Amino acid sequence: GQNIDQPTEMTATEGAIVQINCTYQTSGFNGLFWYQQHAGEAPTFLSYNVLDGLEEKGRFSSFLSRSKGYSYLLLKELQMKDSASYLCAVRAPNYKLSFGAGTTVTVRA
Amino acid sequence: AAGVIQSPRHLIKEKRETATLKCYPIPRHDTVYWYQQGPGQDPQFLISFYEKMQSDKGSIPDRFSAQQFSDYHSELNMSSLELGDSALYFCASSTTQETQYFGPGTRLLVL
Repeated sequence: GQNIDQPTEMTATEGAIVQINCTYQTSGFNGLFWYQQHAGEAPTFLSYNVLDGLEEKGRFSSFLSRSKGYSYLLLKELQMKDSASYLCAVRAPNYKLSFGAGTTVTVRA
Repeated sequence: AAGVIQSPRHLIKEKRETATLKCYPIPRHDTVYWYQQGPGQDPQFLISFYEKMQSDKGSIPDRFSAQQFSDYHSELNMSSLELGDSALYFCASSTTQETQYFGPGTRLLVL
C-alpha cells in the first residue's frame, strides 16, 4: 500500500517562499507528482519527478530523494492566486496514483 | 489545448436511484482513470481503463461499474445510490506512462 504524509496547512505572505514537504512509504514507486487544487475544481498538474534531484518550472520547483522517500514542492514569489490545496501523489508501477491528504496554502497580503 | 471533458457537471439524485457519469479523454490519450473525492478528502482511485480494457481497480463499490468505449470515452455507472456517494467524481486521462490530466469533475449530490 501507500502511506503519504504532508502538512495539513501552511500560511505565507505574498512574495515569500513556501516549501511543502511530502514523505512517502510505498510498495512500489514509478514517479511522484504534485498537483494544485482550488476548492471545488480539478487537480491541475504542476510537476513530476521520477529521478532524484530538482525539477524547476518557473516559480515552482520540486525535489525528490527516492532513498529517503521524500519530496518537496517549492513555491517562490507567492501570489494570492497560489492559495490552494497542494497534493502530493505517488504513482505505482501499474500507473495508479495515490494521493496525500493535501496541504492547504493560504497566501496573505 | 483540448482538455478532459466530463458530463454532467452537476447531478442531483435521490437514494436508490442510478446515475451515469461520462468522461471524454484528451485526444490520443488511451488511458482513463476515475477518482472519487469527498468533502475535505483527497481523491480516491476507483478504476482505470487502458485501450478499452480494465487495467486496475481501486476502492470502487460493487454498486458501481464502468467501461471504456471504442472512441475511448468512458462511463461510470452508479446504482442504488447512497447518501455517502455524494462527492466530486473526477476523470483523468493519460497516454501510457505519462502524466494524468484531470477533468473538471462531476459534483454528485444524493438526497
